[in-house]
Amino acid sequence: EAAVTQSPRNKVAVTGGKVTLSCNQTNNHNNMYWYRQDTGHGLRLIHYSYGAGSTEKGDIPDGYKASRPSQENFSLILELATPSQTSVYFCASGDLGRSQNTLYFGAGTRLSVL
Amino acid sequence: GDSVTQKQGQVTLSEDDFLFINCTYSTTTYPTLFWYVQYPGQGPQLLLKVTTANNKGISRGFEATYDKGTTSFHLQKASVQESDSAVYFCALARTGGYKVVFGSGTRLLVSP
Repeated sequence: EAAVTQSPRNKVAVTGGKVTLSCNQTNNHNNMYWYRQDTGHGLRLIHYSYGAGSTEKGDIPDGYKASRPSQENFSLILELATPSQTSVYFCASGDLGRSQNTLYFGAGTRLSVL
Repeated sequence: GDSVTQKQGQVTLSEDDFLFINCTYSTTTYPTLFWYVQYPGQGPQLLLKVTTANNKGISRGFEATYDKGTTSFHLQKASVQESDSAVYFCALARTGGYKVVFGSGTRLLVSP
């Protein structure tokens, strides 16, 4: 069964601090994604990756960096966290071929920036 | 760019009512269309998808028809149950593309 694991599940950060959200997938999917979910906006794409070593900007990349050091791992980095980045973040994996673009999501990370 | 519109923020029904959730999309190519469902405390999961225009997707009593003419992909269910209470997202992906674009979601509340 497809498995995407996010850590931490909850995080409280201070304004100006650095935050790293981690994601691991055991699906052997090529593509990985970071979305944030906010009421009224649904799921918005921050960064995505085609494979190890690649990162691409999504629709709302400002204030975020991403890192894909391996097929299994994809991190989202907030170098200088701001209160506007308080949200629920979801990681997902997918594959054009085998999953036909179906995304498999993790359980989410709730981030509060104070 | 590609976009998905869900105008209903929340739908409130009683058990055994008919469900209709509106979804329209905009794209310059031929997309795959999806409905995802998100239960409380979980990430979204695929409910159904349709890759070909004018085809219908069916899953767990839910159905949606990919209507290229009206650029719609409305979700329907004949008789909802309390366990269907969740947030429903409509989404699209371009054929051969990597990005998946989501609508703003519709929260369904079903009372017993």
